[in-house]
Amino acid sequence: EPEVTQTPSHQVTQMGQEVILRCVPISNHLYFYWYRQILGQKVEFLVSFYNNEISEKSEIFDDQFSVERPDGSNFTLKIRSTKLEDSAMYFCASSEAGVGEQFFGPGTRLTVL
Amino acid sequence: RKEVEQDPGPFNVPEGATVAFNCTYSNSASQSFFWYRQDCRKEPKLLMSVYSSGNEDGRFTAQLNRASQYISLLIRDSKLSDSATYLCVVNLGYGGATNKLIFGTGTLLAVQP
Repeated sequence: EPEVTQTPSHQVTQMGQEVILRCVPISNHLYFYWYRQILGQKVEFLVSFYNNEISEKSEIFDDQFSVERPDGSNFTLKIRSTKLEDSAMYFCASSEAGVGEQFFGPGTRLTVL
Repeated sequence: RKEVEQDPGPFNVPEGATVAFNCTYSNSASQSFFWYRQDCRKEPKLLMSVYSSGNEDGRFTAQLNRASQYISLLIRDSKLSDSATYLCVVNLGYGGATNKLIFGTGTLLAVQP
């Protein structure tokens, strides 16, 4: 069964450093998303991406965040200068259709020290 | 009012019991509805989509009442493996660019032997 994959599974970084989280969506999916979940809190939408551009972003997704699809398979989330409050689980998701079911990767746990 | 509201639980039930979860959502323009389950520190996994006509998948039955903005999930004959957090999720998407999922905080189910 096709699945979304993410690397790394755990990333530890110092405050102020840049991190790149990587995702490989399901191959025939056209819509890509990033969500995050702070420990003990609900899953929150960050950004959606379609046709090589951002289609929607949340208030959380400020200028420190960016997304890219550098090739036909990878989808990345970059945090330019990490803050302590960026510590969370980051989930990538993809869907075949816009209102269709979204499938999540296993997540990257980001710890900012 | 929260966008998606759920009773956090926990629901402690014996094996074999029937348990029901409820959820309300605030935006009447919501287009699609889902139940996901999330195991501790894992990604949300799609359990089922929810349709106005109601739908069933084995021991799981989901119902949607658009007039009351209310979604339910019924689990019959609970198994130990059903222990997880159940997430009520809505999508405001209109088939175009807006496809973000809005998550509830989840309801914790613990099935006891």
